[in-house]
Amino acid sequence: EVQLLESGGGLVQPGGSLRLSCAASGFTFTNYAMNWVRQAPGKGLEWVSVISGSGAGTYYADSVKGRFTISRDNSKNTLYLQMNNLRADDTAMYYCAKEGRSSVSAPGIDYWGQGTLVTVSS
Amino acid sequence: DLRMTQSPSSLSASVGDRVTITCHASQDITNYLNWFQQKPGKAPKLLIYDASNLETGVPSRFSGSGSGTDFTFTISSLQPEDKATYYCQQYDNLPITFGQGTRLEIK
Repeated sequence: EVQLLESGGGLVQPGGSLRLSCAASGFTFTNYAMNWVRQAPGKGLEWVSVISGSGAGTYYADSVKGRFTISRDNSKNTLYLQMNNLRADDTAMYYCAKEGRSSVSAPGIDYWGQGTLVTVSS
Repeated sequence: DLRMTQSPSSLSASVGDRVTITCHASQDITNYLNWFQQKPGKAPKLLIYDASNLETGVPSRFSGSGSGTDFTFTISSLQPEDKATYYCQQYDNLPITFGQGTRLEIK
């Protein structure tokens, strides 16, 4: 059974940093790209970033480029999101999501974790 | 970025009704489209992948169709537990993009 367990969320001041983690189990982690997707309170889903199975390839939404860094440790089956220079509009539930069926250019998504809440406020 | 326009944004229907949601892509995405269901306080759940394929374990009252730019999601006979918000998502190109969601209420 695929399981994704996020952690690391919390309350942070504007300009601060947080590091999110996602512990994965139930599948061969290194074989799949992994995504971060966020959802602001009462709003829709916004894709944030993706990393290839090897970790060599990464891609970011324009809204987080230069502030967020996605990484993974395949020896620990863990995905990370380092978030710097946080802003109020980064307040959201952050989900890690496993690659599902994919095109040549982009990963689909199948399984999602339960999310970790990030609140940016003074 | 590729834009996904989902409609309606909300709808209310009765148990047993047939419900249809549409999703329009701003450019051809072939069939690289997912449909997700999200219940309040929960993570999204994959229902349909590659536009028309039912994910394992998902009830057969859910279906998807379409290709290119226009896609349809259908619930053939609405059940009380189908109250949720539904999202389409394209994976033809990065950045991945989602429709704005359809909130489905039960009358």
